[in-house]
Amino acid sequence: KQEVTQIPAALSVPEGENLVLNCSFTDSAIYNLQWFRQDPGKGLTSLLLIQSSQREQTSGRLNASLDKSSGRSTLYIAASQPGDSATYLCAVTIYNFNKFYFGSGTKLNVKP
Amino acid sequence: KAGVTQTPRYLIKTRGQQVTLSCSPISGHRSVSWYQQTPGQGLQFLFEYFSETQRNKGNFPGRFSGRQFSNSRSEMNVSTLELGDSALYLCASRDGLARETQYFGPGTRLLVL
Repeated sequence: KQEVTQIPAALSVPEGENLVLNCSFTDSAIYNLQWFRQDPGKGLTSLLLIQSSQREQTSGRLNASLDKSSGRSTLYIAASQPGDSATYLCAVTIYNFNKFYFGSGTKLNVKP
Repeated sequence: KAGVTQTPRYLIKTRGQQVTLSCSPISGHRSVSWYQQTPGQGLQFLFEYFSETQRNKGNFPGRFSGRQFSNSRSEMNVSTLELGDSALYLCASRDGLARETQYFGPGTRLLVL
């Protein structure tokens, strides 16, 4: 069974700092990996989607990398802002079953 | 395009009752997935419907069921509610291909007393 782990569970940084969030998964037979953002009590907003054949994706200040062989992905946030404060979740889709497995998330707090 | 909508947004029920939640996907999307989110268990996959058929199912008891209509709108039903069913229920839609991103609705917060 696929297990997705996110470390750290919580992170507090001063505004302007660059930071890295980690996601690991146990079964490398994934179809893609997706990073989401969730604000308190709200739904999820898709940030980046990386297909299994890709190594990274970039959107603005966000860069996500994928190393399928080692079962790892990172989300890099450059020049963090207070508005980046949210919970960040990664999810993997496995081949053939169209099932999605989510990590437990990293709660990010960016202090002004 | 309008986003994914879920109704109702908030719901309070008592143990033993049943509840039906509704999800309207983005226009043109054929797949709707349902998730339960709790502080203790995180986000857990309930089931996915594609073209009115359940395509995948998570590890939840039979009290949790769903269906999808010809217009792709989906409903989720929970019978004989338990206190542990209190959660944020999220639905997500996509066109139906695994390589595509999911778009989530705002969720329905269910409180079981």
